[in-house]
Amino acid sequence: SQQGEEDPQALSIQEGENATMNCSYKTSINNLQWYRQNSGRGLVHLILIRSNEREKHSGRLRVTLDTSKKSSSLLITASRAADTASYFCATPRSGYSTLTFGKGTMLLVSP
Amino acid sequence: EPEVTQTPSHQVTQMGQEVILRCVPISNHLYFYWYRQILGQKVEFLVSFYNNEISEKSEIFDDQFSVERPDGSNFTLKIRSTKLEDSAMYFCASSAEDRVWEKLFFGSGTQLSVL
Repeated sequence: SQQGEEDPQALSIQEGENATMNCSYKTSINNLQWYRQNSGRGLVHLILIRSNEREKHSGRLRVTLDTSKKSSSLLITASRAADTASYFCATPRSGYSTLTFGKGTMLLVSP
Repeated sequence: EPEVTQTPSHQVTQMGQEVILRCVPISNHLYFYWYRQILGQKVEFLVSFYNNEISEKSEIFDDQFSVERPDGSNFTLKIRSTKLEDSAMYFCASSAEDRVWEKLFFGSGTQLSVL
């Protein structure tokens, strides 16, 4: 069954601005991952946050996890045109261990 | 950096025909997956494979689908009798260790068009 859902569906910003995407999920998880997909390409892993972590950083990426609200956010700071892509959160399937993905947030960064 | 490779990049077939999508996972990885993405939709899990057998499968993965690791490097997805609704981008992925904690490495996908 579907776990993670991203919000908003689409986001359009200017270069240099920050982009925030959210993910909500339904059941308890032990980790949550974020992936990026450039148009027509495969997904690329960005960052993994475990259930006992509240925040994690990787370069210009900042991920937070609130297990009480069953939500996560991905912040991209000082965005660049090259950040234009779809971003997906991934959580383990309920009762299983394989990852499931939401519909993604399509981010457009204009120069 | 090692990568997952998929062939062909595009496949066009007639409804009712069999297709085989091929993947070469990263060489030291142990877990293999197929996902698909219908245009503009979410990425859907199909099947996972470990130790030469299916470990998990979704409701989508019915009797028309099968997977195989015929040798030490290839991982294939076969659709026996394609339907129009099978048109999608099919992604192969692999991971090194425990599925839950490890990131997935995805190939660039095979765009399947069923006419």
